[in-house]
Amino acid sequence: ETGVTQTPRHLVMGMTNKKSLKCEQHLGHNAMYWYKQSAKKPLELMFVYNFKEQTENNSVPSRFSPECPNSSHLFLHLHTLQPEDSALYLCASSHDRGGGGRNGPEQYFGPGTRLTVT
Amino acid sequence: AQKITQTQPGMFVQEKEAVTLDCTYDTSDQSYGLFWYKQPSSGEMIFLIYQGSYDEQNATEGRYSLNFQKARKSANLVISASQLGDSAMYFCAMREGPRVGNQFYFGTGTSLTVIP
Repeated sequence: ETGVTQTPRHLVMGMTNKKSLKCEQHLGHNAMYWYKQSAKKPLELMFVYNFKEQTENNSVPSRFSPECPNSSHLFLHLHTLQPEDSALYLCASSHDRGGGGRNGPEQYFGPGTRLTVT
Repeated sequence: AQKITQTQPGMFVQEKEAVTLDCTYDTSDQSYGLFWYKQPSSGEMIFLIYQGSYDEQNATEGRYSLNFQKARKSANLVISASQLGDSAMYFCAMREGPRVGNQFYFGTGTSLTVIP
């Protein structure tokens, strides 16, 4: 148990559906992340929230819409997805100890949501 | 160019033996962090070990050690006394810059199988 939970664990949706992925962290961290993991490809960072403010959006299609209501919860709203969006979606959190030369901290991951778009 | 390169798609090791998983990275930043994660078949990414670019000593965590060679830009993971439960995918990752929210790069992973 890493302290990061994700629901649902598995999701099958049609291309016209709207669904949301939920992530919750119980570690007191102030940064949260969404990643996409496709077969035989490196993890792709999608969104970063630091102190609830979005700091990165790596050219993710608008059919993916993140929401971070507080530092413990992160959502990924999905609509009109494509079959190539089928993947494992991982949420992670970390604690920002401030600037300077040190490059921790590590990220703690949830178990992921296996998404299949039909 | 790839930021993180893992050249071994699959590795086998005998139980109780040591194994080295290779990782090279590419950055022009002076300040960066290197991480190794384990991903069992269940899917969860488990943090194993961290090395900061300013750390002079190689990081160690139990049976895991990170062989950090800054000039060669390599950050190999060494697992000593392999156990059957070590069978999993292993990912090397790097974060550039000092701030949370800076880009985090992952390699394509190495699948490790421990043979009884």
